Amino acid sequence: EIVMTQSPATLSVSPGERATLSCRASQSVSSKLAWYQQKPGQAPRLLIYGASTRATSIPARFSGSGSGTEFTLTISSLQSEDFAVYYCHQNYDWPLTFGGGTKVEIK
Amino acid sequence: EVQLVESGGGLVKPGGSLRLSCAASGFTFSDYTMIWVRLAPGKGLEWVSSINSDSSVIKYADSAKGRLTISRDNAENSLYLQMNSLRVEDTAVYYCARGDRYGSGSSIPGPYWGQGTLVTVSS
Repeated sequence: EIVMTQSPATLSVSPGERATLSCRASQSVSSKLAWYQQKPGQAPRLLIYGASTRATSIPARFSGSGSGTEFTLTISSLQSEDFAVYYCHQNYDWPLTFGGGTKVEIK
Repeated sequence: EVQLVESGGGLVKPGGSLRLSCAASGFTFSDYTMIWVRLAPGKGLEWVSSINSDSSVIKYADSAKGRLTISRDNAENSLYLQMNSLRVEDTAVYYCARGDRYGSGSSIPGPYWGQGTLVTVSS
C-alpha cells in the first residue's frame, strides 16, 4: 500500500498570507495525485488533479506542484473560505489512499 | 444537475449489517465508475471501494475486504454498499462519489459527491 504523509498536521495562517501544504508518497505515484478540500459537515471538494491541474471552477489562488514522491499545494493568498482540511490522494495504484490531512486554521 | 443522494445509514451493533444506497441522477450513470469514501470521527478521509461502469472491475480497501461489498444497478441508477460484520471502527460518514478519469490513472472522486450518510456501530 502506498502511504501518503501530509505535513504539517495543522497550519496557522493569517488571511491574505500564503499557505504551503506538503504531501509525500512512500513510493513514486508519478503525477497521479489529487488534492481535496473539506469543511465541517460538507462533502470533500476536488481542487487539483494530475498533481497540478485545477479542477473546474477552482480559483487560481490554488496551485499544485510536484511529481514522484513530493507534492505541494499552495494557496497564494488565503481567503476566509479557505480555512478547512486539505487531503492529498493518490490514484497511481490500488488500494487508492489519502493522506492524513492538513488543517488550515486562522492565526 | 448531477445529484447523488445516500441513504441507509443508522445505528447498528457490532457484528450487525447495513446496506447503504446512493441514488444518482443528472448524468448517464452507466458511463461512470462509482466510489465510496468514508470519514471517521476525528480521522481523515479513507477510500473504501470503487466499481467500474459495468461492474467488471471492483476494488476494496484492505479494511473493507471480506466484509463490505460494493454493487450497482445501472437500470436503477443506484450504487450500493452492503456492510456485514460491522466493527466499531466502521463508524463514519459514508460518501458516494462519481469517479472521473483524468489522464491515465484510476478514476478518482471528482466534482460530484453525495451529502453523506452516518453509520454508527456501537453496542
